[in-house]
Amino acid sequence: KAGVTQTPRYLIKTRGQQVTLSCSPISGHRSVSWYQQTPGQGLQFLFEYFSETQRNKGNFPGRFSGRQFSNSRSEMNVSTLELGDSALYLCASRAGGGAQTEAFFGQGTRLTVV
Amino acid sequence: AQKVTQAQTEISVVEKEDVTLDCVYETRDTTYYLFWYKQPPSGELVFLIRRNSFDEQNEISGRYSWNFQKSTSSFNFTITASQVVDSAVYFCALSEAAGTALIFGKGTTLSVSS
Repeated sequence: KAGVTQTPRYLIKTRGQQVTLSCSPISGHRSVSWYQQTPGQGLQFLFEYFSETQRNKGNFPGRFSGRQFSNSRSEMNVSTLELGDSALYLCASRAGGGAQTEAFFGQGTRLTVV
Repeated sequence: AQKVTQAQTEISVVEKEDVTLDCVYETRDTTYYLFWYKQPPSGELVFLIRRNSFDEQNEISGRYSWNFQKSTSSFNFTITASQVVDSAVYFCALSEAAGTALIFGKGTTLSVSS
């Protein structure tokens, strides 16, 4: 069974640009969550999608947005990039919709903003 | 508000030593879930264990064991006879029943030398 796949693995963008990251969850999983990992703030929850609907959102500015498609694949978009957006972005998929189910993570997309 | 504290930032041990990683959590919910994840240098978070708030039984899986104590709001992780392959960053996380976001601690970097 294939794991969570995130593309691309590495990205370098210029301040002010926008970027789109992609996540393909484990087959059959309907929940996809996104997390940002930085040395200073650690792992922070961005948002979660379940059956194409955003179900939960963390404390991030509106420049961070996402969506989920009917096949459960998800994309995350960051507009007007800032230097502080440089981070490892991790996607996680869950089989069910409950908090008790374990989340399986991809290897992440390392975004560098210059 | 929910919070997870991993007071140990870095731990260095020699192979075959036992090591305990501490985790203290805060939540007002009576139903919640606790997790441990391992992050090797490759970046993905690897699920290790889940515990729900109603199950205080300790668990052992091979060289790994977990001690959950609600009285002290702690969920500690012990590796017995550590190995070099155990070197990684370990995260403790909390999820409340009402939500699906994982609240992570800052992580403990474990270095095991031969």
